Amino acid sequence: AQSVTQPDIHITVSEGASLELRCNYSYGATPYLFWYVQSPGQGLQLLLKYFSGDTLVQGIKGFEAEFKRSQSSFNLRKPSVHWSDAAEYFCAVGADNAGNMLTFGGGTRLMVKP
Amino acid sequence: DVKVTQSSRYLVKRTGEKVFLECVQDMDHENMFWYRQDPGLGLRLIYFSYDVKMKEKGDIPEGYSVSREKKERFSLILESASTNQTSMYLCASRGDQLAGVSETQYFGPGTRLLVL
Repeated sequence: AQSVTQPDIHITVSEGASLELRCNYSYGATPYLFWYVQSPGQGLQLLLKYFSGDTLVQGIKGFEAEFKRSQSSFNLRKPSVHWSDAAEYFCAVGADNAGNMLTFGGGTRLMVKP
Repeated sequence: DVKVTQSSRYLVKRTGEKVFLECVQDMDHENMFWYRQDPGLGLRLIYFSYDVKMKEKGDIPEGYSVSREKKERFSLILESASTNQTSMYLCASRGDQLAGVSETQYFGPGTRLLVL
């Protein structure tokens, strides 16, 4: 069965600082990987996704993520955080043989200090 | 833009009541999903539907049922609400059934349900 771990429940960074949110997955074959963001009171919005090809994926709002097969990781990064990035971030993994199912991590709540 | 709407943002119900949560999408998507979101647990799939009148159980279907009579609408039903069903419920839809899980899921804003 596939699983996703986001080791950091809460992260606080200063505005303008760089950000890295960790995501580790467990799956036997090549996974499909996603990062979603949930702003307060909102549904989830897709930031970026990886299926194949270049392991560095660019997303919206200046985010990027790197797929590292050897580490089973798909960490999300942003070089300079803005106050509006404060939200909860979810990593998810899916696979073709999982039918329609995505498995989500527990989420990381990001707080941004002025 | 894809739009997924949920009938209520906040709902308060009493134990034992029958609860209906409605979800509507406007993009003619074949696939629709119901998740519940709890702190520290992320999103867990309750049920999904890949076509009208078709449904499949997700990871945590116990205590829930679903209905999909029309392509655009997917309802989650709590037959007899219990306090442990207090949660945030998120609906999602995804197009192009043939593309499989690689296609993007689009989420509604969520319904926060409190069962007293």
